[in-house]
Formats: sequence, structure tokens, C-alpha cells
Amino acid sequence: AQTVTQSQPEMSVQEAETVTLSCTYDTSESDYYLFWYKQPPSRQMILVIRQEAYKQQNATENRFSVNFQKAAKSFSLKISDSQLGDAAMYFCAYRRGLYNFNKFYFGSGTKLNVKP
Amino acid sequence: NAGVTQTPKFQVLKTGQSMTLQCAQDMNHNSMYWYRQDPGMGLRLIYYSASEGTTDKGEVPNGYNVSRLNKREFSLRLESAAPSQTSVYFCASTEGTGGQPQHFGDGTRLSIL
Repeated sequence: AQTVTQSQPEMSVQEAETVTLSCTYDTSESDYYLFWYKQPPSRQMILVIRQEAYKQQNATENRFSVNFQKAAKSFSLKISDSQLGDAAMYFCAYRRGLYNFNKFYFGSGTKLNVKP
Repeated sequence: NAGVTQTPKFQVLKTGQSMTLQCAQDMNHNSMYWYRQDPGMGLRLIYYSASEGTTDKGEVPNGYNVSRLNKREFSLRLESAAPSQTSVYFCASTEGTGGQPQHFGDGTRLSIL
């Protein structure tokens, strides 16, 4: 079975500082994709970043980057220069293959607080 | 604004009642999804529709039915609501017939007494 674990229910960061959110996953597959989603208080889910397992290079989207450690099955999200608007729930997600709807699993989320 | 629209935003039901959650997207997307979100847990897929006219079960389909009425609309029905179905429900869509959901609705908070 594939599972996604986010061990940090809540974290805080000072504005302009850097924070790293942790995620580990369990799989026996070689072809899979990993995602980070942001859910602000409005509850709208927003795709932040995506990583293909076959790519060694870590994905980056502006201030958001990941540290993908395939052997360790770890997929952490780093937010640089944190802004007040980054405050939200962050969900790590796993999908086996690109078009496999049933094999899409979310972690339980990490609530990020940003202090001014 | 373009996006995914869910109605209602809040609903309280009694055990045994039925209701339909509505979802519509105006982005001409092919794929649509229904998820539920429970406290301390991630989103779990209830049903999905890869294209108009097709629907398939996700991880937790029991107690639900869906209808892909047309390309825009994807409804979720609870035939006989149970307290275990108290949750926040999200509809989502994506452009292709596969791939991760990209656009989510604002959610429906459903309480069943």
C-alpha cells in the first residue's frame, strides 16, 4: 500500500525567513509523481509544485523548491523569503503514474503560520 | 470568475436524508473529481470522471453516487446520509483526461446529525 506521511501537524516561520515542510512516502513503484498543494483559509486547493520520480533534478517554482530524496522516500518543501500570504495548510500528495486516478494519496497536512 | 463552483457551501442533514452536491466548471475541462476531507486526514477520492459520460470509483465510494450530467457539471449524491459522511467535500477539475486535479472548488461543509 502507498501512504503519505506528514509528521509536522503545525509549523511557524517568521516573515522573510525560510521554512521546510517534511513529507515521506511509502511505495514499491518506480514510476510515480509527488506534489505539494496549498490550502489557504479560503479552502481552495492550489497546486504549488510537482516532481516526477524519474527526474533527479529538484523542482523549483519561484520561492518554492523541493528536496527529493528518492532512496529515502522523502519529499520536503522549502519556502524561501516567507510571506504572510504563505500561511495555509500544505498537503503532500503521491500519485502512481500520471493518469492513475485511484492511486493518488494525500498526507494529513501541515498548518503553516507566518509571523509578521 | 472562471473556476470550479460548488453549491451549497454549508448544509446540515439528519441521518437518512438524501441530498445532492452540485459542481460546475467553466474551463471546458475533461476530468472532474469529488474528494472528502476529514480532520487530521488528507483528501480522499470518492469518485472521478475522466470525460463526459464516464465515471469511476475512487478510494471511498460507499454511500455515494455521482452523475456527469454534461462536460460542465458533476454532481455527488448521498442517498441516505450517515453521521460518518460528515465532512468537507471538494470538487476539482483538470484539463486533460488524466493527471492531477488542478482547480478546486471552495468546498461544501456537510454535517449529518
